[in-house]
Amino acid sequence: DIQMTQSPSSVSASVGDRVTITCRASQGINDWLVWYQQKPGEAPKLLIYSASTLQSGVPSRFSASGSGTDFTLTISSLQPDDFATYYCQHANGFPPWTFGQGTRVEI
Amino acid sequence: QVQLVESGGGVVQPGKSLRLSCAASGFTFSIYGIHWVRQAPGKGLEWVAVIWYDGSKEKYAAFAKDRFTISRDNSKDTVFLQMSGLRDEDTAVYYCARDRRQYSGSGPYYPVAIFDYWGQGTLVTVSS
Repeated sequence: DIQMTQSPSSVSASVGDRVTITCRASQGINDWLVWYQQKPGEAPKLLIYSASTLQSGVPSRFSASGSGTDFTLTISSLQPDDFATYYCQHANGFPPWTFGQGTRVEI
Repeated sequence: QVQLVESGGGVVQPGKSLRLSCAASGFTFSIYGIHWVRQAPGKGLEWVAVIWYDGSKEKYAAFAKDRFTISRDNSKDTVFLQMSGLRDEDTAVYYCARDRRQYSGSGPYYPVAIFDYWGQGTLVTVSS
């Protein structure tokens, strides 16, 4: 199975800060990488797929890049609504499709 | 708008069975694969199973194989997850999620495992 490792596990930031989260796959997954945002008590929300494609309706302050094994999610200017937990997930080929352990963005 | 609504969760004793439902609306249900993803309390996300748009194929996580069965009724726009032999470690919120890939009408179909819409989840608690 492909293992997904995110860092950091949590990050403290302020409104307006630039925040970067990294995700590493245990083997190459091309650009089959997805990012989700989850707020407490809510279902995850799709942010980005194919490593860098913004899902419709997602603010442009979110961006992502990477290919192969190393990926990043960047929030260019953190807004109050962005405090949440972010998960990466590989969508490469065959299941199981695994998630990173999550990165909590907090004040 | 796209909606997925899970139901059927509750408290169940170890070794017992439970059937979850996921009712869909707001899109053409019969051309999309549907997944189940779970989240143990305070933990991360874990993929459980997927069913093809027409119910012709299913795939499972190792922990779900032989104990869980995913099925669907396209006449009722509903997906099910039948869980048996439940264990303490199956305690989680279970989400159904739509696969972003729709069946084009020709050629083979394979889900892309991009979960573009999620239900609100249903809590399953396995406890004696």
